[in-house]
Amino acid sequence: SQQGEEDPQALSIQEGENATMNCSYKTSINNLQWYRQNSGRGLVHLILIRSNEREKHSGRLRVTLDTSKKSSSLLITASRAADTASYFCATVQGGSEKLVFGKGTKLTVNP
Amino acid sequence: SQTIHQWPATLVQPVGSPLSLECTVEGTSNPNLYWYRQAAGRGLQLLFYSVGIGQISSEVPQNLSASRPQDRQFILSSKKLLLSDSGFYLCAWASGGTNTGELFFGEGSRLTVL
Repeated sequence: SQQGEEDPQALSIQEGENATMNCSYKTSINNLQWYRQNSGRGLVHLILIRSNEREKHSGRLRVTLDTSKKSSSLLITASRAADTASYFCATVQGGSEKLVFGKGTKLTVNP
Repeated sequence: SQTIHQWPATLVQPVGSPLSLECTVEGTSNPNLYWYRQAAGRGLQLLFYSVGIGQISSEVPQNLSASRPQDRQFILSSKKLLLSDSGFYLCAWASGGTNTGELFFGEGSRLTVL
């Protein structure tokens, strides 16, 4: 079953703009992760945020986690055409080895 | 360094034929292993995961099965394919022994059942 739900399903922006994607989940989690997938390829891990963390940065990426609202957001600043991809959130429930993915946000960055 | 290999990359099979997709991991021991399926334009559906040799957890009742004959080998099989088995199959591994952290994915196997 799907645990995370990303919003929006699709996002189209211009180069240089910021892109924000949101993820909501239903049950308590151990950690939440964001992945990127280029068309027809495998997924690549971007960032992991633990349930006791509220914000995390990695380069142009900023992830926030609000466990009271069961939601997370991924912000990509100063986007580039190369950021065009699908972005997925995934959650690990406490004590589990399962990583459950949402349906993803398809981001298009226009040059 | 760790690597993951998945094959074949592309497969076209008739309905009712068998299937075998293979995934191997190098450079790590006792990994957790996963099979996901992705329908066109959709999210990832967890099919099977394994925390050790011979230990398989099935997430969705379906026409598929998985086996882990060796520590770093994970195989996805079917005796008779259905049209609905078409999709993009992804193998992944994570470090074992702890609550799941980062997953490392293979490049995927695209299956078309005709």
